[in-house]
Amino acid sequence: DAGVIQSPRHEVTEMGQEVTLRCKPISGHNSLFWYRQTMMRGLELLIYFNNNVPIDDSGMPEDRFSAKMPNASFSTLKIQPSEPRDSAVYFCASSSPGQGIYEQYFGPGTRLTVT
Amino acid sequence: AQKVTQAQTEISVVEKEDVTLDCVYETRDTTYYLFWYKQPPSGELVFLIRRNSFDEQNEISGRYSWNFQKSTSSFNFTITASQVVDSAVYFCALSENSGYALNFGKGTSLLVTP
Repeated sequence: DAGVIQSPRHEVTEMGQEVTLRCKPISGHNSLFWYRQTMMRGLELLIYFNNNVPIDDSGMPEDRFSAKMPNASFSTLKIQPSEPRDSAVYFCASSSPGQGIYEQYFGPGTRLTVT
Repeated sequence: AQKVTQAQTEISVVEKEDVTLDCVYETRDTTYYLFWYKQPPSGELVFLIRRNSFDEQNEISGRYSWNFQKSTSSFNFTITASQVVDSAVYFCALSENSGYALNFGKGTSLLVTP
C-alpha cells in the first residue's frame, strides 16, 4: 500500500518566490495534517483538515501561508512570498480517527530552503 | 505550555546495552492518546506505538517495550539490547480528544555505537 506521498522532496527557492508543497494522503484516511519541523521549534502543527474541511489553522504562521484540500486525495501548502525563516522540513500526515486509526502516518517530508 | 516533555536531549550507548527514553505528558482530558515516533537519519517519521488513556497495559514488541503510568503521567520507551540501527531521534507525542493533532516533545537523540 502506498503511504503518504509528498512532492517535491527538496525545494530551493529565492526569497520572495511562491512555493507550493503537495501531499497525497493514504487512501481512505479522512484527516490530513501539515507539520513543520525546525531545529528551534521542533515539530509543530500548521493546519488540520477533516473530510477536506480546514478545522484548525491556528498554527499557520501568517497570511503568507495558505493550505487547500480540494478533494480527499490531494492537499497543497503554499507560501507566498517565501522568506528565509520559512526554511524547514514540511511534513504531511494522514489518519482516520473515525475508523479507529488514531495514529498519523507521515510522508517523507519536503525540505524547503529559502535563500 | 509544553504538553510533552522529553528531558533527555541526547543519549549515547554502546551496542547491546538497554536504554530507556523518558516521556512525561500533561493533559486535563480523560481521553487521550500517546504515541512514539522514530526519526532515523534519513528524516522520515515512523510510527512505533499508540496507547489509549484507558489502557495502562504495558506493551512489548520484540526489543521494544513501553511503560505507561497514568499516576506519574509518563510513557517511557525501553530498547533492549540496542543495535546501531536504533540510532535515531525518538519523539513522544500526545493527542487529546478524538485523535486530533499531535503535540510532540522535543525528541531524544539516541546514538548507539558498536
